[in-house]
Amino acid sequence: KAGVTQTPRYLIKTRGQQVTLSCSPISGHRSVSWYQQTPGQGLQFLFEYFSETQRNKGNFPGRFSGRQFSNSRSEMNVSTLELGDSALYLCASTLSPRTSEDTQYFGPGTRLTVL
Amino acid sequence: AQKITQTQPGMFVQEKEAVTLDCTYDTSDPSYGLFWYKQPSSGEMIFLIYQGSYDQQNATEGRYSLNFQKARKSANLVISASQLGDSAMYFCAMRDLTSGTYKYIFGTGTRLKVLA
Repeated sequence: KAGVTQTPRYLIKTRGQQVTLSCSPISGHRSVSWYQQTPGQGLQFLFEYFSETQRNKGNFPGRFSGRQFSNSRSEMNVSTLELGDSALYLCASTLSPRTSEDTQYFGPGTRLTVL
Repeated sequence: AQKITQTQPGMFVQEKEAVTLDCTYDTSDPSYGLFWYKQPSSGEMIFLIYQGSYDQQNATEGRYSLNFQKARKSANLVISASQLGDSAMYFCAMRDLTSGTYKYIFGTGTRLKVLA
């Protein structure tokens, strides 16, 4: 079974631009979560989607948004990029967000650099 | 509030020796799951092992075992017979319903370096 895939793997943008990252979960998984990882702030939760609905949201400004499609694929968008948005963006999928034992499997990440 | 604490920012271990990475957690929910992930320099988070709050026995997966002490709220990862490829960041995580949603909470991680 294929794992979680993320595209693109690397991205370089300039301040003020916007970016869209894509994530395809493991086949059959219906929940997708996004995380931002930086050396200073560690791993921070952005949002979680299940059945095309945002179920959880982290403490990020409205410039960060996401969506999930009917095939469970998800995209996240960052508008008006800032230097501080440079980070590794990780996507993770689970079968369902309904139980405490569902394991989250991560993709390889998208490394975003904002110049 | 839910919290995961990893007090060891960095650890060294000699190849072929065992090493314990500490993790303590705080939750008011009786039902929760504890996870350990490995993150090599490539960036991908690799799932290692899971322990449920109601599991009677400590979880094991190959060279990984989880030393689960519920009363002390600790879930330490034990890696036996360390290999050079075990050098990575290790994250402890928890998932419960305390916040009203099954959100994952991650610790700050421990960087493990295996010495030849």
